[in-house]
Amino acid sequence: DAGVTQSPTHLIKTRGQQVTLRCSPKSGHDTVSWYQQALGQGPQFIFQYYEEEERQRGNFPDRFSGHQFPNYSSELNVNALLLGDSALYLCASSLRRRFVERDTEAFFGQGTRLTVV
Amino acid sequence: GQQVMQIPQYQHVQEGEDFTTYCNSSTTLSNIQWYKQRPGGHPVFLIQLVKSGEVKKQKRLTFQFGEAKKNSSLHITATQTTDVGTYFCAGSNAGGTSYGKLTFGQGTILTVHP
Repeated sequence: DAGVTQSPTHLIKTRGQQVTLRCSPKSGHDTVSWYQQALGQGPQFIFQYYEEEERQRGNFPDRFSGHQFPNYSSELNVNALLLGDSALYLCASSLRRRFVERDTEAFFGQGTRLTVV
Repeated sequence: GQQVMQIPQYQHVQEGEDFTTYCNSSTTLSNIQWYKQRPGGHPVFLIQLVKSGEVKKQKRLTFQFGEAKKNSSLHITATQTTDVGTYFCAGSNAGGTSYGKLTFGQGTILTVHP
């Protein structure tokens, strides 16, 4: 049973460029959430995808966008990269139907370490 | 918006000493989760608390959820060097449109000296 997988593991980009990060959720999970974790901070919620639609969004600018595919995998896109976008980007998968039972357990991937220079 | 505060930011202990980290939310939570992140790693789920006043134990770890569902604590008895890492609480408010969104505290970095 594969866990959450993310690619790539590390990435270096230049300011102003665009980046795409990928995530495959845990088998059987249908909801993918993306988090940004700056050094020394807790993860910050970016957005959540379910049934190929963005369902919730945190306080991140429109430069951050995403997509979910029919197989539940997801992409995070960041345009016009800033130095401040350097962080660990985490993907978390969960099963939406358990939310009504207040079970929001999330399984995190290893993350993508993005460095903007 | 919802805020989750966690204290202390750092904790240094001698191996064998106890450790406690505290978490407070600005709003009532539906549930709270605790995660451990090793240096260079990703958050790993430890436990989820749902009921008011709930107490759960995992070997040397004891987790509590406050009666008002706004605060929580993690207590480790007799720390070991394997306990080193950052411990995060993460609150969830499963009402309305906030399903599955986790609001993390800043984390407590635990260092255990042998």
